[in-house]
Amino acid sequence: AQKITQTQPGMFVQEKEAVTLDCTYDTSDQSYGLFWYKQPSSGEMIFLIYQGSYDEQNATEGRYSLNFQKARKSANLVISASQLGDSAMYFCAMREGGVGNQFYFGTGTSLTVIP
Amino acid sequence: DSGVTQTPKHLITATGQRVTLRCSPRSGDLSVYWYQQSLDQGLQFLIQYYNGEERAKGNILERFSAQQFPDLHSELNLSSLELGDSALYFCASSVDPAGEQYFGPGTRLTVT
Repeated sequence: AQKITQTQPGMFVQEKEAVTLDCTYDTSDQSYGLFWYKQPSSGEMIFLIYQGSYDEQNATEGRYSLNFQKARKSANLVISASQLGDSAMYFCAMREGGVGNQFYFGTGTSLTVIP
Repeated sequence: DSGVTQTPKHLITATGQRVTLRCSPRSGDLSVYWYQQSLDQGLQFLIQYYNGEERAKGNILERFSAQQFPDLHSELNLSSLELGDSALYFCASSVDPAGEQYFGPGTRLTVT
């Protein structure tokens, strides 16, 4: 089974609108972390937001928020007030494990913001 | 700019050769990670070091090896290169071994 599943290969959103990028994960660990990264066409990977498995509140960072639903094993990224510069690939990732961490990335969602 | 540096930016080499990729983590970060990003495999975690010690191993081939030096920079050695090793190799660093990672710009390796 895939550790991280991103079912939306491509998404379009109108500028200034909100968009939700889906991510589901698979782990039997109690302690894990969930991350979102942005990869613009220039290629660099930019950290956006982090959610720990024990965090009770959903993480927020500026226009980014993580909709964490533990029972459903989902960690969707919500981008509010989309901007043209948000057009990029978005990757969901998970850190699993205690001492010997393992890291898994999804296949990514390509987001295009339309003016 | 994440503060993580990687050299070289691009590398073109032939099959069977050996190359070394270098990474300097952000100031203060003790943990270094290596990833491979290719079109067919996506982003794959290779290996993690924390303060000079190997911390976790992912999908790293036996032909590949890495180390983290006392000054915390890291090198990824790729040997007996094959066409399929062509990829973007990222280094990332973090303050603690489980926290958010900051990625370098990557090294684009092309094996011909």
